[in-house]
Amino acid sequence: DIQMTQSPSSLSASVGDRVTISCQASQDITNYLNWFQQKPGKAPKLLIDDAFNLKTGVPSRFRGGGSGTQYTLTINSLQPEDFATYYCQQYDSLPYTFGQGTTLEIK
Amino acid sequence: QVQLVQSGAEVKKPGSSVKVSCKASGDSFSSYPISWVRQAPGQGLEWMGGMTPIFGTPDYAEKFQGRVTITADESTSTAYMELSSLRSDDTAVYYCATGGACGGDCLVYHFDFWGQGSQVTVSS
Repeated sequence: DIQMTQSPSSLSASVGDRVTISCQASQDITNYLNWFQQKPGKAPKLLIDDAFNLKTGVPSRFRGGGSGTQYTLTINSLQPEDFATYYCQQYDSLPYTFGQGTTLEIK
Repeated sequence: QVQLVQSGAEVKKPGSSVKVSCKASGDSFSSYPISWVRQAPGQGLEWMGGMTPIFGTPDYAEKFQGRVTITADESTSTAYMELSSLRSDDTAVYYCATGGACGGDCLVYHFDFWGQGSQVTVSS
């Protein structure tokens, strides 16, 4: 199985800050990477697929980057509604695997 | 836009089985690759397996092989996930997810649309 390692596991930031979450795969996943946002008690929401592709309706302050085994999610100008847990997930090969999550908290 | 509506919460005894349903909207259910993902309390997300109804052959994560059965009823546009030999560590919220009708690659599972989740509690 492909291992997905996310960092940091938690992050404190303020409204207006820019933050970056990293995700490292144990092998090349050829940009087959999703980023999800999850709020307490809710289903995950797909923000970005194919590493870079912003899904319809997702604010442009979210940006995906990277290649090979290293990927990032950058959120520019944090808004109050962005404080949540974020997960990366590879879909290069079965079984699909998730990172352990990054909880973004208000400083 | 696809809506997925899941069955309600269940409380099960260790060793028993649970079957969670996921009813999809839309006219192309047969071509929806549908995944099942679970989340234990306070933990991360875990992909269990999936199936595209038109193909009929499910994919399972090895961790659940032998305990999980994923099926679909095209007549009611409903997918099912049955987990057997339940243990306390199977206590989790179980989600179904899909990207809608598959286009060029029906072998890839997408996660644009999610059900609301079904709480399964395993307790003696």
